[in-house]
Amino acid sequence: SQTIHQWPATLVQPVGSPLSLECTVEGTSNPNLYWYRQAAGRGLQLLFYSVGIGQISSEVPQNLSASRPQDRQFILSSKKLLLSDSGFYLCAWSTGQGPSPLHFGNGTRLTVT
Amino acid sequence: GEDVEQSLFLSVREGDSSVINCTYTDSSSTYLYWYKQEPGAGLQLLTYIFSNMDMKQDQRLTVLLNKKDKHLSLRIADTQTGDSAIYFCAESGSGGYNKLIFGAGTRLAVHP
Repeated sequence: SQTIHQWPATLVQPVGSPLSLECTVEGTSNPNLYWYRQAAGRGLQLLFYSVGIGQISSEVPQNLSASRPQDRQFILSSKKLLLSDSGFYLCAWSTGQGPSPLHFGNGTRLTVT
Repeated sequence: GEDVEQSLFLSVREGDSSVINCTYTDSSSTYLYWYKQEPGAGLQLLTYIFSNMDMKQDQRLTVLLNKKDKHLSLRIADTQTGDSAIYFCAESGSGGYNKLIFGAGTRLAVHP
């Protein structure tokens, strides 16, 4: 069966510091991968998605970037965090063929101080 | 543009039925989804319905789809305290690549 791992679970970082969140998927090949952000009391905003190694699409302009160095690894990064980057970050995967649901990791709670 | 709207809060008594409602805008959405989020956790897929269906039942869950009105509902029968969570409605949209568009979520509170 497929599993998705996200880490760390929680992170407190000062403004201006770098960020690296990692997500890996097991049990499937060539998945679509996604980073969503959930602000307090709000829905999920799609930040990035990837349909293959090295292929990244950004949905909104922001202070963050994403990379996919391996088929089942997705990384969310920032060079300098802003206060507004605080939130709950969720990684997800779906199959690469046709419409299918997203399967989410447990999320990372990021607090920028 | 694409948008999904839900009421933000619902309170029910244990044992009653809960009905969570959602409206969406993109009539080309192929699938519509319901997810559950417990405190501090990720989203768990509950169920989904293909756009050419009117109803889908899965144990205590019943999904109703009114495609004409772009209205989706989730009914939970015999609601239990373990059902307390935030429920998200999502549409598949027209952008492809399974880029789901989510509502803001409905917080369901179950009280004795």
